Amino acid sequence: SYELTQPLSVSVALGQTARITCGGNNIGSKNVHWYQQKPGQAPVLVIYTDSKRPSGIPERFSGSNSGNTATLTISRAQAGDEADYYCHVWDSSTVVFGGGTKLTVL
Amino acid sequence: QVQLQESGPGLVKPSETLSLTCTVSGGSISSHYWSWIRQPPGKGLEWIGYIHYSGSTNYTPSLKSRVTISVDTSKNQFSLNLSSVTAADTAIYYCARRPDGGSAFDIWGQGTMVTVSS
Repeated sequence: SYELTQPLSVSVALGQTARITCGGNNIGSKNVHWYQQKPGQAPVLVIYTDSKRPSGIPERFSGSNSGNTATLTISRAQAGDEADYYCHVWDSSTVVFGGGTKLTVL
Repeated sequence: QVQLQESGPGLVKPSETLSLTCTVSGGSISSHYWSWIRQPPGKGLEWIGYIHYSGSTNYTPSLKSRVTISVDTSKNQFSLNLSSVTAADTAIYYCARRPDGGSAFDIWGQGTMVTVSS
């Protein structure tokens, strides 16, 4: 079965750029989506189809996808960006989620 | 705008069937794909399966033998039944929408905690 690998944690200084990776075999051939989940809340879609932002998501959130790695980039990180982030793809008509990355803003 | 709301028992006994309903408001269930996703305490997300308003379904292989997802278009609801539950099924259960023509989950319910315990 297809697997997605994310780092358990990423730290970023306030105002700097955070990059969260999602690794998978030839993931560049798939559409990757990213969700933000704050404690006690449901996940929220922040990037879909590799690099598109839903309405209401700040331009500071961006995504890329190539080869075996997809990346969620958060520019000018704010305290409110602290959350768990999950990547998601479809493989053989089933959903695959990455294990999630905890983003800490220092 | 479209909102989703899960409902059902918060406590289920081992070996019994977990039953949850997701009510769609602010829009019609008669389009799009509707999924159930769960999250054990302190762990990541696990997709359970989806149903299309037409009734077609797809389930994750690891749960396929125990899962049934159904839709009631007259009530704008879809439901999850998970049979023969164990403590490993204890989780927050979310319902979510995947739009026709898309592949991301763009709208989620707030989630409901289900504990399996005697």
